Amino acid sequence: EVQLVESGGGLVKPGGALRLACAASGFTFSSYAMNWVRQTPGKGLEWVSSINFSSGFIYYADSVKGRFTISRDNAKNSLYLQMNSLRVEDTAVYFCARGKTAAGTYDYWGQGTLVTVSS
Amino acid sequence: DIQMTQSPSSLSASVGDRVTITCRTGQSISSYLNWYQQKPGKAPKLLIYTTSNLEGGVPSRFSGSGSGTDFSLTISSLQPEDFATYYCQQSYIPPWTFGHGTKVEIK
Repeated sequence: EVQLVESGGGLVKPGGALRLACAASGFTFSSYAMNWVRQTPGKGLEWVSSINFSSGFIYYADSVKGRFTISRDNAKNSLYLQMNSLRVEDTAVYFCARGKTAAGTYDYWGQGTLVTVSS
Repeated sequence: DIQMTQSPSSLSASVGDRVTITCRTGQSISSYLNWYQQKPGKAPKLLIYTTSNLEGGVPSRFSGSGSGTDFSLTISSLQPEDFATYYCQQSYIPPWTFGHGTKVEIK
């Protein structure tokens, strides 16, 4: 059974940093692209970042480019999102999601972790 | 960025009803359109990918159609477990964008 479990969310002040992690199991992690998608009540679902199976291709939404860094450790079956210079508007539930064979399609999602940026 | 416009934003329907949700994109995306279902407090679930391909385990009452800029998701006979919010999403080019959702409620 495919499982994705996020961790690392919490309350942080504007300008602060957090590192999210996603532990994967039930599939060959090193064969799949992985993604971060966030959700807010106001803006809905927003793709954040993607990384291919080998870390050779990485993409970011303009809203996080230069502040967030996606990475993966295939030996540990883990995906990460380092979030720096956090803004109030980064407040959201962050999901990790597995990429289906087609880029930009997400076939399994974690349960999400809440990031709150507030003073 | 490709704009995604879903309609309606919400609808009320009864068990057994046929329900159709539409999604219009700001530019042609060929057939690179996906549909997700989300229930409160849960992650989205992939229902249909590339317009009309049913994800494994998804009931056949769900179907998708369209091409170019106009797409639709149809539930042929609404079941109690189908009351949820549905999102379209384009997988044509990054940034991969989502519609704002259609909430299907019980009449």
